[in-house]
Amino acid sequence: SQTIHQWPATLVQPVGSPLSLECTVEGTSNPNLYWYRQAAGRGLQLLFYSVGIGQISSEVPQNLSASRPQDRQFILSSKKLLLSDSGFYLCAWSVGVGVGSPETQYFGPGTRLLVL
Amino acid sequence: AQSVAQPEDQVNVAEGNPLTVKCTYSVSGNPYLFWYVQYPNRGLQFLLKYITGDNLVKGSYGFEAEFNKSQTSFHLKKPSALVSDSALYFCAVRAERGGGGNKLTFGTGTQLKVEL
Repeated sequence: SQTIHQWPATLVQPVGSPLSLECTVEGTSNPNLYWYRQAAGRGLQLLFYSVGIGQISSEVPQNLSASRPQDRQFILSSKKLLLSDSGFYLCAWSVGVGVGSPETQYFGPGTRLLVL
Repeated sequence: AQSVAQPEDQVNVAEGNPLTVKCTYSVSGNPYLFWYVQYPNRGLQFLLKYITGDNLVKGSYGFEAEFNKSQTSFHLKKPSALVSDSALYFCAVRAERGGGGNKLTFGTGTQLKVEL
């Protein structure tokens, strides 16, 4: 069966410090991968998605970036954190069977980031 | 563009009573519709989805949802609510002929509170 991991679970960082959040998926190959941010426990904002190694699409311009160095690894980064980067970051995966497929997205446990 | 509306920020229901969490959508062409549940400080868990066929979809934990094309709605229902159903519920949509990455658009969430 497939599983998705995120770490760390919680992170407290000062403003201006760098960030690296990691997401890995097990039990599947060539998944679509997604990074979301959830602010104030409510709506989800899609930040990045990837349909393959090295292929990253950005949905929202900001000081965050994403990379996919391996098939089942997705990393969210920042060179300098802002207060507004605080939130709950969720990684998700879906089966990558091409455009138009109804495949479900499955979410990881999330990382709570607090920028002080 | 695709969008989802969850008109109720919070729904309160007594244990044992039926519950309904409302969702309406807007999408070009045929929709793929999803419901997720989120418990505090956790990732989203998939409940059910509508792709095609029977308008009544049955999912996990006794939940079901009814697709109504004329009303562009996909309300989540359960015949008898449990206190343990208290959580944040998200509706999501994507178009059958969506763009790359099979991106979902999420509603803002409805907090369900089931009381004894």
